[in-house]
Amino acid sequence: DTAVSQTPKYLVTQMGNDKSIKCEQNLGHDTMYWYKQDSKKFLKIMFSYNNKELIINETVPNRFSPKSPDKAHLNLHINSLELGDSAVYFCASSLRQGASTEAFFGQGTRLTVV
Amino acid sequence: AQKITQTQPGMFVQEKEAVTLDCTYDTSDPSYGLFWYKQPSSGEMIFLIYQGSYDQQNATEGRYSLNFQKARKSANLVISASQLGDSAMYFCARGQTGANNLFFGTGTRLTVIP
Repeated sequence: DTAVSQTPKYLVTQMGNDKSIKCEQNLGHDTMYWYKQDSKKFLKIMFSYNNKELIINETVPNRFSPKSPDKAHLNLHINSLELGDSAVYFCASSLRQGASTEAFFGQGTRLTVV
Repeated sequence: AQKITQTQPGMFVQEKEAVTLDCTYDTSDPSYGLFWYKQPSSGEMIFLIYQGSYDQQNATEGRYSLNFQKARKSANLVISASQLGDSAMYFCARGQTGANNLFFGTGTRLTVIP
């Protein structure tokens, strides 16, 4: 019973393509996130949704578009992929918003743009 | 600046010994949460332990404890009786009041030596 699951785990694609990463959580959490981990292992927030509403949109190119059809799903669509988009993308969820709530992470999607 | 500092890029510890991983943070918020995550070589992010800024006692979870020194703005992770399976990257993170995400440090790679 995977709590936060994201697919695919690996994604290799050519520059210029459009791709999507799916994320689902079965924890009943209200809040979901996308984080990006770069080649130096640094993790940075990209987007945060609470009850399907966008809360945080960090400085992310508008080629990246999150979509939350319901509060259990937060998908990430990326247009016109670039070499610099290569990274590991993590979906996460937490029970609610706030500073005291731990986030549970999916297993990550390693995106390689060639 | 929401800076989380982990000054030890790599640490080694003998199996069965204790090890302390350092974390300092920057904040002017009166209320915040501090988190530690483990990332093994398989890539997933595993939540380990949480400390609230108003908690009177240091958090403990099994072999993990958090040495929280609020005045120094430090939240060091102590792992007792290290096991080979503890070899991984460890990330310190801070939740921000009113925001909806975690700020991560750059991580410490722990290697447990048999």
